Amino acid sequence: AQSVAQPEDQVNVAEGNPLTVKCTYSVSGNPYLFWYVQYPNRGLQFLLKYITGDNLVKGSYGFEAEFNKSQTSFHLKKPSALVSDSALYFCAVRLGGYQKVTFGTGTKLQVIP
Amino acid sequence: SAVISQKPSRDICQRGTSLTIQCQVDSQVTMMFWYRQQPGQSLTLIATANQGSEATYESGFVIDKFPISRPNLTFSTLTVSNMSPEDSSIYLCSVVAVNTGELFFGEGSRLTVL
Repeated sequence: AQSVAQPEDQVNVAEGNPLTVKCTYSVSGNPYLFWYVQYPNRGLQFLLKYITGDNLVKGSYGFEAEFNKSQTSFHLKKPSALVSDSALYFCAVRLGGYQKVTFGTGTKLQVIP
Repeated sequence: SAVISQKPSRDICQRGTSLTIQCQVDSQVTMMFWYRQQPGQSLTLIATANQGSEATYESGFVIDKFPISRPNLTFSTLTVSNMSPEDSSIYLCSVVAVNTGELFFGEGSRLTVL
């Protein structure tokens, strides 16, 4: 079985400050890890993924995430938050070669002007 | 990347009725996935739709309630049958890029059942 945990329902950060949205996973095997963002009344948009290679992955809109195998984490980060980053963020995991993707419960990011 | 179109984008339905959601992809894909996102919650996989065979349903979802069609490699429908207010959700169609593993989503169909 595979699972994803996003321990924070909401993260508040001041504009211009660095942000971190946490994600830990559990999977038996090598994980494919993803971050998606959902803006109000919209579908999900892909931000970035980790499959193999460098542990630091860079994605869209200045976001990056660090894969930490020992801590089974894949935290999303951005050096300087924008008000327009305010949205719902989902972490997801897929066991390589198996198609089912499991999503976390989501973290609402609120960037305060 | 894949472009996915869903219809309707939103609808308000009466209890006991059924609604069919359409999903069109701009390229041929083997698997299409239907997810449900209940208000304030995460995404839950309903079923995987394969062309030429019956859909594979996840635990808690049954074909009588959520019949799926997959007539070709670019199109699928999900029907929500005999709706109740508990079916009020966003229903999302998605496909996976086999070489990268990333999921592409449609904009979703927001159903409100009165």
